[in-house]
Amino acid sequence: KAGVTQTPRYLIKTRGQQVTLSCSPISGHRSVSWYQQTPGQGLQFLFEYFSETQRNKGNFPGRFSGRQFSNSRSEMNVSTLELGDSALYLCASSLTAGPYNEQFFGPGTRLTVL
Amino acid sequence: TQLLEQSPQFLSIQEGENLTVYCNSSSVFSSLQWYRQEPGEGPVLLVTVVTGGEVKKLKRLTFQFGDARKDSSLHITAAQPGDTGLYLCAGDPSNTGKLIFGQGTTLQVKP
Repeated sequence: KAGVTQTPRYLIKTRGQQVTLSCSPISGHRSVSWYQQTPGQGLQFLFEYFSETQRNKGNFPGRFSGRQFSNSRSEMNVSTLELGDSALYLCASSLTAGPYNEQFFGPGTRLTVL
Repeated sequence: TQLLEQSPQFLSIQEGENLTVYCNSSSVFSSLQWYRQEPGEGPVLLVTVVTGGEVKKLKRLTFQFGDARKDSSLHITAAQPGDTGLYLCAGDPSNTGKLIFGQGTTLQVKP
């Protein structure tokens, strides 16, 4: 069974631009969560989607948004990029939503904002 | 303020040594998870501890959940270079599937 895939793996953008990252969950998994990982703040929860609906949201500004499609694939978008948005963005999928569901992480998208 | 505090942040040891990583909180968790992340990869789940006082073993790795379910530890016996990586503890304080992670412990095992 293929794991979680994320595209692109690396991305370089400039301040003010916007970016869209994609995540394909493990086949059969219906929940997708997004995390931001930086050296200073560590891994922080962005949001979770299940059945095309956002279930949970972390403490990030409205510039960060996401969506999930009917095939469970998910995208996240960051508008008006800032230097501080440079990070590894990780996507994780699980069979269903809620606690006690093992999350499987993808390799991440490394975003650099210049 | 980190809800989950990990210590130490960095650890560099020789192959064959033992080590312990700690994950502490002032909050009670229904369960805690430990992950290992290698460069260029996402975190991989090692174990989930659920019951206070629980001890789980995974080959040379021993995980313990505190009696009060506020802390956990990871002990590695006879560390090997393949154990090198970032070790993360995580919990779901709101029991909604929203994971909170500790800052992580970077472990380097030298041959």
